[in-house]
Amino acid sequence: DADVTQTPRNRITKTGKRIMLECSQTKGHDRMYWYRQDPGLGLRLIYYSFDVKDINKGEISDGYSVSRQAQAKFSLSLESAIPNQTALYFCATSETSGRAGTGELFFGEGSRLTVL
Amino acid sequence: GNSVTQMEGPVTLSEEAFLTINCTYTATGYPSLFWYVQYPGEGLQLLLKATKADDKGSNKGFEATYRKETTSFHLEKGSVQVSDSAVYFCALHGSNQFYFGTGTSLTVIP
Repeated sequence: DADVTQTPRNRITKTGKRIMLECSQTKGHDRMYWYRQDPGLGLRLIYYSFDVKDINKGEISDGYSVSRQAQAKFSLSLESAIPNQTALYFCATSETSGRAGTGELFFGEGSRLTVL
Repeated sequence: GNSVTQMEGPVTLSEEAFLTINCTYTATGYPSLFWYVQYPGEGLQLLLKATKADDKGSNKGFEATYRKETTSFHLEKGSVQVSDSAVYFCALHGSNQFYFGTGTSLTVIP
């Protein structure tokens, strides 16, 4: 089983619908992240959480919200999906680094979302 | 601030050719540097990393050296294989955040 699991892997929805992407991890990491990947733009950070009570906005948080239900679970919601949110979404985890700058990210396999 | 710039692709090489993918960075403090690889239909996975200046990361025949004087972390491989076809991302970890380049797509043809 994968250490970082995302569901659903693929989703097609319509403009205005609410969508939730879920992420669970078995790595025991405190830090979790949601990224969005678009061709030519690389990965952009949407939200991140350093522990259950800590939620932070990333580079492109508008139109998204998150919930950290437990150490192992971090979900991303699109309250009212729009076509330019069509993208590949990745959840990732990392350890709390003892010294800043040593962390490594562990990624899920991605959730491909299409908004019509 | 922190940022990463990597060469744009796509890159197409014949099998056994030499590969270089350039990556430069700007950073405050002492970042760690990474190369991640994304195979078709999969998530990103760590290829190699270096945590301080002059460190060389290596894995699966790929190498990259952390050059503080030129703020670079170029990825190299002496002889690429078809199985190396993927998208490669240079990344930096600093100020408690990760910063990614835009990715370079590599296709290796037999």
